[in-house]
Amino acid sequence: GAVVSQHPSRVICKSGTSVKIECRSLDFQATTMFWYRQFPKQSLMLMATSNEGSKATYEQGVEKDKFLINHASLTLSTLTVTSAHPEDSSFYICSASGDQPATEYFGPGTRLLVL
Amino acid sequence: KQEVTQIPAALSVPEGENLVLNCSFTDSAIYNLQWFRQDPGKGLTSLLLIQSSQREQTSGRLNASLDKSSGRSTLYIAASQPGDSATYLCAGYMEYGNKLVFGAGTILRVKS
Repeated sequence: GAVVSQHPSRVICKSGTSVKIECRSLDFQATTMFWYRQFPKQSLMLMATSNEGSKATYEQGVEKDKFLINHASLTLSTLTVTSAHPEDSSFYICSASGDQPATEYFGPGTRLLVL
Repeated sequence: KQEVTQIPAALSVPEGENLVLNCSFTDSAIYNLQWFRQDPGKGLTSLLLIQSSQREQTSGRLNASLDKSSGRSTLYIAASQPGDSATYLCAGYMEYGNKLVFGAGTILRVKS
C-alpha cells in the first residue's frame, strides 16, 4: 500500500513554456502533499506544502507565482512551473501524507529539462 | 533553522565490508527519523523509520539507531554488496514545523 505516482517521469520543454507535473496517491487519501526539488548531487529541498482544498504554503525563497500548486482532491496535487527557464531544470519529487502523522510516501520523481 | 549533516559525503569500499553512515542534526527536537536510499536519477526508497519512542530499527543487513539527546543517527550496513551502491539520505521530522528536513546524503560505492 501507500503508493504515490508522478507524471510525467521526464519532460523536456522550451524556455518560456509552462509545465504541469501530477502527483497522485493511488491507494490512500492524502490530506497533505509536499513538493520537493533536488538539484544534481544535492539533497531534497522542500518547496511547498499543500492541503486538500486550501492554498499551498511555500517555503522561504520559493516563488508562488512561478510554482503554482493545486491540491483539488485527496488523491491529486499538481505543480505547474510557469514560464520555465533553464535554471528551473531539476528533479521534482512529491510526497503524500495520510492519516499517520509525520509519515510521507514519496513519488518516483519528475526530471525537468528546460532548453 | 534545522540543519542536517551527513558524514562521510562519499564512501568507496570493497565488497563485504561493514559500514557506518552518520547523520547529525543541529536541533535535537526530532519527532522521528528516516533513512532513504536513492539510486541515480530515481526517487526515494524508504529503508528504515525510527519513531520518536524508539531507539533503533533493523531490516535485514541494515540497522539504524537514533540518539535524540545528541541529535545523531547512524546507519549500519553489514556485509556490503555492490547492489548497495547508491546515495543514502537521512531525514528528520521535527517536533515543530511538521515537515521533513533532509541531509545532503552519503554517496556509497561498493566495489566487487
